[in-house]
Amino acid sequence: AQSVSQHNHHVILSEAASLELGCNYSYGGTVNLFWYVQYPGQHLQLLLKYFSGDPLVKGIKGFEAEFIKSKFSFNLRKPSVQWSDTAEYFCAVNAQSGGYQKVTFGTGTKLQVIP
Amino acid sequence: EAEVAQSPRYKITEKSQAVAFWCDPISGHATLYWYRQILGQGPELLVQFQDESVVDDSQLPKDRFSAERLKGVDSTLKIQPAELGDSAMYLCASSSSGGAFAEQFFGPGTRLTVL
Repeated sequence: AQSVSQHNHHVILSEAASLELGCNYSYGGTVNLFWYVQYPGQHLQLLLKYFSGDPLVKGIKGFEAEFIKSKFSFNLRKPSVQWSDTAEYFCAVNAQSGGYQKVTFGTGTKLQVIP
Repeated sequence: EAEVAQSPRYKITEKSQAVAFWCDPISGHATLYWYRQILGQGPELLVQFQDESVVDDSQLPKDRFSAERLKGVDSTLKIQPAELGDSAMYLCASSSSGGAFAEQFFGPGTRLTVL
């Protein structure tokens, strides 16, 4: 069974600081990787996704993530955070399980950006 | 913009009572998911439907939880009897397919408190 680890549970940054949130997964086969974000009072929504090809994927609002297969990682980055990036971020893995696709979420990282 | 609808948004009940949650996915979405999110954790899949069929309910506590999607459109999740440990956010999501590339669209959730 696949699993997802997000080691940073709570991150506090000042505006303009750089961001990197860790995500590691365990699964031996082909995976598709996602980052979802939940802004305060809003629904979970997709930030970016990786299926194949260029391991560096770009998402909305200046976010990007790099898939490093050898490290089973899919870390989320942003060069300069803004106060509006305050949210909870979830990494998710979609992998084949028992004949269908199954999505597993990490425990989430709460990001607080201080103006 | 099409959204996943859920009701009620909040539910307070006493233990041993029955509760039911309703979800209406985005029109045309064949795959529907019910998740439970305990405070401080990521969403945990309870059940996944493809049209009206259950494709994964391995994490659904079947002694007290049930889910149905009779016509392959909207869905109901029921808990009977509710226990204190069931207090959580119950999220519904839908996608156009259950495939590897499918982005999930989430509803606002139902926050359940069991007293």
